[in-house]
Amino acid sequence: DQQVKQNSPSLSVQEGRISILNCDYTNSMFDYFLWYKKYPAEGPTFLISISSIKDKNEDGRFTVFLNKSAKHLSLHIVPSQPGDSAVYFCAASVSNYNQGGKLIFGQGTELSVKP
Amino acid sequence: EADIYQTPRYLVIGTGKKITLECSQTMGHDKMYWYQQDPGMELHLIHYSYGVNSTEKGDLSSESTVSRIRTEHFPLTLESARPSHTSQYLCASSGQGWVAEKLFFGSGTQLSVL
Repeated sequence: DQQVKQNSPSLSVQEGRISILNCDYTNSMFDYFLWYKKYPAEGPTFLISISSIKDKNEDGRFTVFLNKSAKHLSLHIVPSQPGDSAVYFCAASVSNYNQGGKLIFGQGTELSVKP
Repeated sequence: EADIYQTPRYLVIGTGKKITLECSQTMGHDKMYWYQQDPGMELHLIHYSYGVNSTEKGDLSSESTVSRIRTEHFPLTLESARPSHTSQYLCASSGQGWVAEKLFFGSGTQLSVL
C-alpha cells in the first residue's frame, strides 16, 4: 500500500516555462511534506518543505502548494532552467515519537527541461 | 551545508562476499537512516537509529544489519551478498527530537553483486 504517489514518471518542459510536479498521499496523519531533487548515482538534495498548517511555501523559483482536503501537493518551478533536469521526489512524515523523521517517499518524477 | 559521508561510492563484488557500507556524519545528529533505491522506484527505509545502541528495522525487509556504537557512525553490513542486493544504498541523518524534519543524505553507495 503506497502512501505517497507520484503518478507521472516523467515531465518535459521548455526552458523558461513553468514546471508543475504533482504528488498525492493517503495517510491523513502526515503533517510535514518535502521535495527532494536527485541525480543518478547521487544522494537526494533537499529543495523545499511545507508544514500541514500552511497551504503554500515559496523559496525563490520553487513554490510548494498543499491541498489537505484533496491530500495533494504540487511543486511549481518558475522559470524552469536546464539545470533543473533531474528526478524529483515527494516525501511525507508524521511528527510523533515513533515516526518523527522517517520519510515516506513517492516513486519520483523525472523532469527534463529543454533549452 | 550537510556533512554526511558514505564510502565506497561504487562497489562491484562477487556473490557470497561480506561487505560493509560506511556512513559517517559530523553534525552530531541523533537520528540516522538507511534507504535503498532502485531506478524508477521510491526510496525504501530499511534501517534507522534514534541514538547510540538503538537500531530498528524499516518498512522494507532487508537481509542487511546495522550497528550504532558511536553517534557519528552508522555502518550497514551484508554477511553474504547476492545479485538481488544490487541497488543504491543511501544514508541520511536528521537532528534531535521527534518533530518531523528534513533529512540530510550522503552521496550513496551504488552496489553491484555479480
